[in-house]
This record gives sequence, structure tokens and C-alpha cells, in this order.
Amino acid sequence: EAGVTQFPSHSVIEKGQTVTLRCDPISGHDNLYWYRRVMGKEIKFLLHFVKESKQDESGMPNNRFLAERTGGTYSTLKVQPAELEDSGVYFCASSRSPGLAGHEQFFGPGTRLTVL
Amino acid sequence: DQQVKQNSPSLSVQEGRISILNCDYTNSMFDYFLWYKKYPAEGPTFLISISSIKDKNEDGRFTVFLNKSAKHLSLHIVPSQPGDSAVYFCAALRKSNYKLTFGKGTLLTVNP
Repeated sequence: EAGVTQFPSHSVIEKGQTVTLRCDPISGHDNLYWYRRVMGKEIKFLLHFVKESKQDESGMPNNRFLAERTGGTYSTLKVQPAELEDSGVYFCASSRSPGLAGHEQFFGPGTRLTVL
Repeated sequence: DQQVKQNSPSLSVQEGRISILNCDYTNSMFDYFLWYKKYPAEGPTFLISISSIKDKNEDGRFTVFLNKSAKHLSLHIVPSQPGDSAVYFCAALRKSNYKLTFGKGTLLTVNP
């Protein structure tokens, strides 16, 4: 079974530019999550999709961040315009079911975003 | 306000000995606690979890203990192996929203 994949693995952009990160969850996993780790800090929740619907986006920092999951398969996270403080590693995770029986979330390798 | 705390940034043990990683939490509403292992340039890998209604869960060399009255959990690795060297994250979730709340991680180094 293929794991969670993310693209690109690393992105370097200038302040003010736009970047789009992509996540492909494990096949059959309805739940998809985005997290971010800023250097030296803990991994923090951004948002949660159930299929194509946003279940919880309480962790999104501001309206420069837009997440989509059209068709309930892969997801994209767009940052526009990027600011210096957006630098960090963006992780995507997926889980099998919304219930506790499938609570384990499986993470992708992350996208390291550097904003100069 | 950090709800999940890992107060030891690093831990070093000898191969074959026991590794004990600790985690404290403040929110008594958490329903599940999970441990993840992370190697450099990789995403966190799920290791083991425990329900808030249990006090122990064991999987091979890994055992997690939960002390609800103290709001404390620990991960025991016995025996420790050099391949266990990684950053270990403690995480918690509530069934009302399923978002993971992480600690800052503990770097475990197992020396041959």
C-alpha cells in the first residue's frame, strides 16, 4: 500500500510569491489533514478534510492560506502571497475513518517551504 | 498555551537498555494519546497509541503507560536499538475533532 505522498519536497520562493503544495493521501482514506512545523516549534494542526468537505479549519493562520480537496482525493494548499513567517515544513496526513477505530494518522514526508 | 509537553529535548541511552520517554498533558478531555517517531527529512511515523480509558498498551518492544490522575504518559522501549535513534513526538486527540496536538519532541540517541 502506497503511503501519503507530498509534492514538492522543497520549495524556495520570494516574499510575495505564490506557492501551491500538493498531498496525495493513502487510497481509501477519507480523512486528510494538514499540519505545519515552524523551526524549533511543535507540529501544529492547520485543517481537516472529510472527503471533499472542510471539517475543521481552525488552525489556518490567515486568509492567505487556501486549502482544497476537489473530488475528495488529493488536496492542495496554496499560500498567496507568501510571507517570511510562512517558512516551515508542511505535513499532510490521512486516516481511514473518522471514528476512534481508525484514529491513527499516517504522515507524508512533508514539504519544506522557505520564503526569502 | 501548550497542552502537550515533552520537557526533555534529548535522551541518550546504551544499546540494550531501556529508553523511557515522558509526556505531560493539561487537557483532561483528550480521548487518545499517540507516539510518533520521526527520522530527519521524513514525516512522523505512527508507533503506538493508547485510549484514555486504558493504562497500558504494549506492542513488541514498545509499551505506553498512561497515568490519568497525573496527566502523564510514558513510552518504554526495551531493549533499545541504534535504529531507534530518532525524534519521538507525543500527541493527543479528542474524538470531537480528531486533530492531533503535538509536543515538541524528544531526540533519542541509542549508542552502540
